[in-house]
Amino acid sequence: QVQLHESGPGLVKTSETLSLTCTVSVGSVSNYDWSWIRQSPGKGLEWIGFVYNRGSSKYNPSLGSRAAMSIDTSKNQVSLSLSSVNAADTAVYFCARVLYGYLIDYWGQGTLVTVSS
Amino acid sequence: DIQMTQSPSTLSASVGDRVTITCRASQNIGNWLAWYQQKPGSAPNLLIYKASSLETGVPSRFSGSGSGTEFTLTISSLQPADFATYYCQQYNTYSVTFGPGTKVDMK
Repeated sequence: QVQLHESGPGLVKTSETLSLTCTVSVGSVSNYDWSWIRQSPGKGLEWIGFVYNRGSSKYNPSLGSRAAMSIDTSKNQVSLSLSSVNAADTAVYFCARVLYGYLIDYWGQGTLVTVSS
Repeated sequence: DIQMTQSPSTLSASVGDRVTITCRASQNIGNWLAWYQQKPGSAPNLLIYKASSLETGVPSRFSGSGSGTEFTLTISSLQPADFATYYCQQYNTYSVTFGPGTKVDMK
């Protein structure tokens, strides 16, 4: 069974860049497309973006140009960076696998990121 | 963006009850709709995709129906493991969106 494990700092300062990594166990990261989704009490589940195994990506327009995602096939990892963070970016961040099209099937357990000055 | 709504926001039920949750999309999404179950502290778990297809390993008491803009998730006989929050999600376009969730709790 696919296992996804998110890791990264649990606390990020306002205006800095949030950086998270998702390590994929079982299977190659290059065989699928991937997504990041976040969940905060105030906004529910919010899609952040997709990164495709061909190298391109798409992001939620509400994030402007702050989000960037990439795949590292040598480490079997997917990464997320979100720049210029503020308190509204405080959330649990989930890494997830895209089964086909835009259907998300497996999710990681999530990692809580708090943004504070 | 396609907006998703769910009703009710909270549903109180007993073991053995038949439970129905409704999800509506702000525009036609065909049958590109998924349902997830989430328990506190855990990741969402895919139950239903393409509006009515049961994900492998999901109990048959779960079923989905609908197309276009109105969808339902039904639990035929609620079990103790089913007390959780349920989310619908449209994946008709790359800008996927989720409903606000329906919490099923114990009456």
